Amino acid sequence: AQTVTQSQPEMSVQEAETVTLSCTYDTSENNYYLFWYKQPPSRQMILVIRQEAYKQQNATENRFSVNFQKAAKSFSLKISDSQLGDTAMYFCALNAGNNRKLIWGLGTSLAVNP
Amino acid sequence: ETGVTQTPRHLVMGMTNKKSLKCEQHLGHNAMYWYKQSAKKPLELMFVYNFKEQTENNSVPSRFSPECPNSSHLFLHLHTLQPEDSALYLCASSPAPGANEQFFGPGTRLTVL
Repeated sequence: AQTVTQSQPEMSVQEAETVTLSCTYDTSENNYYLFWYKQPPSRQMILVIRQEAYKQQNATENRFSVNFQKAAKSFSLKISDSQLGDTAMYFCALNAGNNRKLIWGLGTSLAVNP
Repeated sequence: ETGVTQTPRHLVMGMTNKKSLKCEQHLGHNAMYWYKQSAKKPLELMFVYNFKEQTENNSVPSRFSPECPNSSHLFLHLHTLQPEDSALYLCASSPAPGANEQFFGPGTRLTVL
C-alpha cells in the first residue's frame, strides 16, 4: 500500500525565518512523483513544488526547496525567508503506480507570524 | 486563480433537499476530479472523468451522482445527504488522468443539516 505521512499537524515560524516541513512516504514503485501543495485560508489548492523520483537533484522554486532522500523515503519542504502569505495548510502528495492516483498526507498547518 | 472555478462557494442544505455543485475548467484539460476534504482526514478522491467518461468511482454512496457533459464541466448532484457528508468538496483537473499536476478549484463548503 502507498502511504504519505506528515507528522507535524501544526507549525509556526517568524517572518523572514526558515522552516522545514516533513513528509515521509511509502511505495514499492520505482518511478513516482512527489508534490507539495499549499492551501491558503481562501482554500484554493495550488502546487508549490514537484519532484520526480528518478531525478537526484532536489527541486527548487524560488524560496521553496525540497530535501528528497529516496532511500529514506523522505521528502521535506524548506521555506526560506518566510512571508505572511505563506500561512496555509501544506499537503504532501505521492503519485505512483499504474492508476496514478494522488495519495495525500493529512497536512501541516503553517502559521507565519509577524 | 488556477483556471478552475466552482459554484456555489457555500451551500447549506437539509437532508431531503436536492442540490448540485458545478465545476468548470478553462485549461483545456481532459481529466476532471471530485474530492472530499474533511477535517483530520486526507483528501478523499471520489470520482475521475476522462474525456467525459467516468474512469473511477471510489466506492462513493449513490446519494452523490456525478455528471460530466463535456471535458470542461463537471457536476456533483446531491440528494438525501447525511450530516456526515458536510465537508469541503474540491474539483480538480489535469491534462490527462494520472498526469503529474492537478489544478484545483476553490471548493464548495457544504453543510448538511
